[in-house]
Amino acid sequence: EVQLVESGGGLVQPGGSLRLSCAASQFRLSDSWMSWVRLAPGKGLEWVASVKQDGSEERYVDSVKGRFTISRDNARNSVYLEMNSLRVEDTAVYYCTTLRIHAPDYWGQGTLVTVSS
Amino acid sequence: DVVVTQSPLSLPVALGQSASISCWSTRSLVATDGSTYVNWSQWRAGQSPRRLIFKVSNRDSGVPDRFSGSGAGTNFTLKISRVEADDVGIYYCMQGTYWPYTFGQGTKLEIK
Repeated sequence: EVQLVESGGGLVQPGGSLRLSCAASQFRLSDSWMSWVRLAPGKGLEWVASVKQDGSEERYVDSVKGRFTISRDNARNSVYLEMNSLRVEDTAVYYCTTLRIHAPDYWGQGTLVTVSS
Repeated sequence: DVVVTQSPLSLPVALGQSASISCWSTRSLVATDGSTYVNWSQWRAGQSPRRLIFKVSNRDSGVPDRFSGSGAGTNFTLKISRVEADDVGIYYCMQGTYWPYTFGQGTKLEIK
C-alpha cells in the first residue's frame, strides 16, 4: 500500500520558517509530479505547489510565491516544502500528494502548521 | 484563477438512496489537449483523502461502481448510488486544467 508521511509541522511565529518533508513508501516518487495542498481551519482546500518528476518545473499559488519553495530528492524518495516569511494565514494542515493525470491521487495524513505569536 | 463551486454544501441522504453533488466552474475546463481535468476526492474521518474520479468520469482502482462522474465544459456531477454508511464524509471536486489548480468548497454527506 502506498504511504506518504509528512513531518516538520509545528508552531512558528509570524515571519518565521519551517521545512516540511514528505517520505514515500511502496511508491517511486520519481514517477510522479508531487504537490502540497493545505486545509486551513474554517476554510477550503487550497493547492499550494507542485514539482515535476525531475524537478525541472515548479508551480505555486500566488499567495506563496517568493516565500515557499517545493523541492524533491528522488534518491531519498522524498519531497519538501520550504516555507519562509510565514504569515498567520498560512496556518493549515499541509498534505503531501502525488499528482497524476492532473489530480492528486495518493495523499498523506497531513502535518499541522500553526503561525502565531 | 478558475473558481469552482459545489452544491449542496450539506447532503443528508438515507441509506440505500442516491446522492448527487454538482460542481461548476467559471470557465470551460477543456484543456488544449482535449481532455477535461475534473476530479473528485473523498475525505473520511481518520483516513487519508482518496481520489475517486479523474478526468470527469474515470474511476480510480478499487472505487465501487456506485460512484460515477459526468459532465462537460463547466458543469459536472458526482453521483453516489445506493449510499452506504461508509460513504459519510466530505467530497471535493477539483479542476486540474489550469494553474493554479482549484477546489470546490466541499460537500458534507451524512446519513439521514
